[in-house]
Amino acid sequence: EDQVTQSPEALRLQEGESSSLNCSYTVSGLRGLFWYRQDPGKGPEFLFTLYSAGEEKEKERLKATLTKKESFLHITAPKPEDSATYLCAAPQRGYQKVTFGIGTKLQVIP
Amino acid sequence: NAGVTQTPKFQVLKTGQSMTLQCAQDMNHNSMYWYRQDPGMGLRLIYYSASEGTTDKGEVPNGYNVSRLNKREFSLRLESAAPSQTSVYFCASSFSREVNEKLFFGSGTQLSVL
Repeated sequence: EDQVTQSPEALRLQEGESSSLNCSYTVSGLRGLFWYRQDPGKGPEFLFTLYSAGEEKEKERLKATLTKKESFLHITAPKPEDSATYLCAAPQRGYQKVTFGIGTKLQVIP
Repeated sequence: NAGVTQTPKFQVLKTGQSMTLQCAQDMNHNSMYWYRQDPGMGLRLIYYSASEGTTDKGEVPNGYNVSRLNKREFSLRLESAAPSQTSVYFCASSFSREVNEKLFFGSGTQLSVL
C-alpha cells in the first residue's frame, strides 16, 4: 500500500534555528512529490513539486529536496511567520489518487 | 481574485439531518475535489470531478453525494449525517486532471454532527 510518513509530528524552533522536516514515501512509480503549507483554520497552500531524485527547489527560507525514498524540507533561519503545518503528498499509482501525510506542525518562537 | 470559495465555514447538524456544502472556483480550472481532514489522518479524497459533467468516487465516498453544477461549482451533499462525518471539509481545484497537478484549496468547512 502506498504510504507517506512525515516526521517529526511537531517541531519547536527558536527564531533563526535552522532544521529539516522529513517525508518518507513508499509509492510505486513516483510521479511527483508535493509540499504544502497549512495555517490554522485555512486550507493547504501549494509550495513545491519535486519530480525526480536529486531535484531541489527553493522559496525564501524553504528548500525542498528529493531522494529515491524521502524528501526533506529544510528551513533556514526561520521566522515566527513560518509557523504552520507542513504537508507532504505523493500521487499514487492510478488515477487521481494523491496520498497526503499527517503533517509536521512547526512552531517558531521569537 | 477569490480562488476557491466554500460555504458555510461552520455547521452543526443533528444525526440524520441533511446539508449541502457549496464550492466555487474562479480560476477556470477543469478539475475539482472534495477532501476531508481528521486529526491524526492525512487529507482523504471523498469525490472528484475531472471535468465538467463527470464525477468519480475517491477513497471515502460512503455517505456523500456530489454535483458538478457547471465548470465553476462543485457541491457535496450529506443526505443523512452521522457523527463519523464530523470533520473539516476542503474543496480544491486544479487546472487539469493530471494527478501531479498542484491543488488550490478553499478555506474549509468545519462540520460537527451531534
